[in-house]
Amino acid sequence: DAGVTQSPTHLIKTRGQQVTLRCSPKSGHDTVSWYQQALGQGPQFIFQYYEEEERQRGNFPDRFSGHQFPNYSSELNVNALLLGDSALYLCASSLGQNTGELFFGEGSRLTVL
Amino acid sequence: QKEVEQDPGPLSVPEGAIVSLNCTYSNSAFQYFMWYRQYSRKGPELLMYTYSSGNKEDGRFTAQVDKSSKYISLFIRDSQPSDSATYLCAMSANTGGFKTIFGAGTRLFVKA
Repeated sequence: DAGVTQSPTHLIKTRGQQVTLRCSPKSGHDTVSWYQQALGQGPQFIFQYYEEEERQRGNFPDRFSGHQFPNYSSELNVNALLLGDSALYLCASSLGQNTGELFFGEGSRLTVL
Repeated sequence: QKEVEQDPGPLSVPEGAIVSLNCTYSNSAFQYFMWYRQYSRKGPELLMYTYSSGNKEDGRFTAQVDKSSKYISLFIRDSQPSDSATYLCAMSANTGGFKTIFGAGTRLFVKA
């Protein structure tokens, strides 16, 4: 049973560029949440997708956007990258949106130079 | 004030010790309480999942929730070097959809 898979695992960008991160949820899961984890900090909620719509959003600017596809996979897009966007981006899947039982991928580590 | 407060540590204990990890929170709407373990450069993995107040035990791990005090705990008995990791508390509420909020994480080192 495949768990949550994320790609790419590592990437380096420069300020002002755009990045797209991808996530495939655990088999049978239909909800995807994205988190940003800075070094030494806990994960910060970015947004949650369910039924291809953004259902909840954290305190992140509009530069952060996402999408969920009919097969439940998801993308996170970040535009106009800033140095402060350097972090581990975690995707978590769950069955239904009404649960806190999240299953995480290994993350995509983004470095902005 | 953060919604969830967690002492970042680090916490260093000898092998076999009982470890106590704690979090406090401010939002009384939280209903679901979780503990995640995160090894270096890995994603968090779910350890314990509880609903409302009470205790839950799973092997060497016991989770406690005291909603009246807005306080949750995780106890690890007979700690092992393999327990060395960062432990994240997390909680969520049904407010027209779930948004799980995490603490900062406590780094635990278990010395052999």
